[in-house]
Amino acid sequence: GNSVTQMEGPVTLSEEAFLTINCTYTATGYPSLFWYVQYPGEGLQLLLKATKADDKGSNKGFEATYRKETTSFHLEKGSVQVSDSAVYFCALVPSGNTGKLIFGQGTTLQVKP
Amino acid sequence: GAGVSQTPSNKVTEKGKYVELRCDPISGHTALYWYRQSLGQGPEFLIYFQGTGAADDSGLPNDRFFAVRPEGSVSTLKIQRTERGDSAVYLCASSLASGDTDTQYFGPGTRLTVL
Repeated sequence: GNSVTQMEGPVTLSEEAFLTINCTYTATGYPSLFWYVQYPGEGLQLLLKATKADDKGSNKGFEATYRKETTSFHLEKGSVQVSDSAVYFCALVPSGNTGKLIFGQGTTLQVKP
Repeated sequence: GAGVSQTPSNKVTEKGKYVELRCDPISGHTALYWYRQSLGQGPEFLIYFQGTGAADDSGLPNDRFFAVRPEGSVSTLKIQRTERGDSAVYLCASSLASGDTDTQYFGPGTRLTVL
């Protein structure tokens, strides 16, 4: 079946540190891949997405590259800020599907000044 | 413009009671989704509407759960004979169209607590 696995959290970093949050998936064909973010007290927001292999999604300094060969979509940012503290969810929609998102369990990021 | 709104933001009920949760999607969005998020977990799909019809209800856990979207806009998720295990945040999302590349926009959720 289709599934998403994320690295366990919480991830605690100092401001300006490099961030990687690992995400791997299991799916047939070519799913679309997403990163959603949930800031404290707010709803889920789309951070970035990639819809085909080797595509790179980017937004707000975050990047993730769709790697078909390793079935991965790791999230990276070169220099995190305190305001990036949030819960990050990796998700997929199976190819040809009507949009049903399948989420990972989420990774909490805490950035300290 | 206005985003997805959900009411109420919090609902506390007693075991065995009936509850209704409402979702107002972004105007013009034809696709509407319901998800359920338990503490410390990612959201889990419940049901998806395209227009007025439920196109995929494979995520509804049992027949106590039902959802409607009679006019293709507002949707109501209905839970009968609530159980303590139903306690979760219920999320609604909408998208302009349905497809594997379309962006879903989420509401703030309704936190349901069953005592």
